[in-house]
Amino acid sequence: AQSVSQHNHHVILSEAASLELGCNYSYGGTVNLFWYVQYPGQHLQLLLKYFSGDPLVKGIKGFEAEFIKSKFSFNLRKPSVQWSDTAEYFCAVNQVNRDDKIIFGKGTRLHILP
Amino acid sequence: DAGVTQSPTHLIKTRGQQVTLRCSPKSGHDTVSWYQQALGQGPQFIFQYYEEEERQRGNFPDRFSGHQFPNYSSELNVNALLLGDSALYLCASSHGTLEAFFGQGTRLTVV
Repeated sequence: AQSVSQHNHHVILSEAASLELGCNYSYGGTVNLFWYVQYPGQHLQLLLKYFSGDPLVKGIKGFEAEFIKSKFSFNLRKPSVQWSDTAEYFCAVNQVNRDDKIIFGKGTRLHILP
Repeated sequence: DAGVTQSPTHLIKTRGQQVTLRCSPKSGHDTVSWYQQALGQGPQFIFQYYEEEERQRGNFPDRFSGHQFPNYSSELNVNALLLGDSALYLCASSHGTLEAFFGQGTRLTVV
């Protein structure tokens, strides 16, 4: 069965530190990949997405992610985090040409110290 | 332009009862998906509706059912509630591109 693994459940960083959140998926076919963010008390919002083309995708608020097909990975990065990045981050995948459901990872709770 | 709206925001029910949750999709969207997010977990896909029919279904029992109306709004019904059904229920709408927009969710507590 298709699955999404997020390696870190809880990450604590100081402001200005660099961030990388790991994500791996299990499906071997063509996939669409997403990172969603859930700020405290708010709904899930799309940070960035990969459908095709350049494997390095840029999203909102300075986030980027790199799709590495050979590693089945889609890691999220940000060079310098801010206190306002404190949130929960979800990696998600959809199997192209199979169905429209999106499978989510369990999430990574990011806490930025001011 | 309103985004995805869900009602109610919070709900408390007793074991064995039935519950109906409602979702209005973002304007222009015709596909509605429902997810269950238990505490500390990522959203789990329940089912998806398109053109008033269930198009996809996740690994949830038949106690979970839904409906989509001609105006694309949708309902999620859960019968014979169990304590384990306590969760945040999320509705997401989309149109074609798979970019799903989520509502704030309905927090269901079963006691």
